[in-house]
Amino acid sequence: DAGVTQSPTHLIKTRGQQVTLRCSPKSGHDTVSWYQQALGQGPQFIFQYYEEEERQRGNFPDRFSGHQFPNYSSELNVNALLLGDSALYLCASTQVGWYGYTFGSGTRLTVV
Amino acid sequence: GNSVTQMEGPVTLSEEAFLTINCTYTATGYPSLFWYVQYPGEGLQLLLKATKADDKGSNKGFEATYRKETTSFHLEKGSVQVSDSAVYFCALTSNTGNQFYFGTGTSLTVIP
Repeated sequence: DAGVTQSPTHLIKTRGQQVTLRCSPKSGHDTVSWYQQALGQGPQFIFQYYEEEERQRGNFPDRFSGHQFPNYSSELNVNALLLGDSALYLCASTQVGWYGYTFGSGTRLTVV
Repeated sequence: GNSVTQMEGPVTLSEEAFLTINCTYTATGYPSLFWYVQYPGEGLQLLLKATKADDKGSNKGFEATYRKETTSFHLEKGSVQVSDSAVYFCALTSNTGNQFYFGTGTSLTVIP
């Protein structure tokens, strides 16, 4: 049974560009959360999607947006990239109503 | 608000030494508490959890007790192994369980 799958594994972007990261949740999970983990820091909550709607959002600017598809997969979009957006982006999935989250291995984004 | 403070690293121990990583929290309501582990190049793996005061979470020789009176959830292991080398994150979830709040992580290196 596959866990959470994230793509791509690594990517490099230039300041001002836009990026899309993708996440496929664990089988049976319908809720997806995104986290940003800067180097040497703990993950910070970006937002959570359920039933194709943003259910909760952390303290991130509107440059960060997301989407959830009918098959529960999700995308994280970041516009107008800044150097400070360089981080590991983690996707976590769960099934609504219980607290067992499964984390993916992340996408390492480098902004130059 | 919700926050987690954990012991600064890095921590270096000899194999079979005793491990303690301190974690304290601030939370509204009745949070659940977690320890996650992150191996190099990987995502987060749940190590153990506790959902109410005085609960003890345990897994793979690691233990932590939810202490409401001291707002603490310290991680302990009686005899560490080289394979325990990783970064350990203390975390809590809000009442809704929709969002994790992570500490900054503690890097552990175990030497033979």
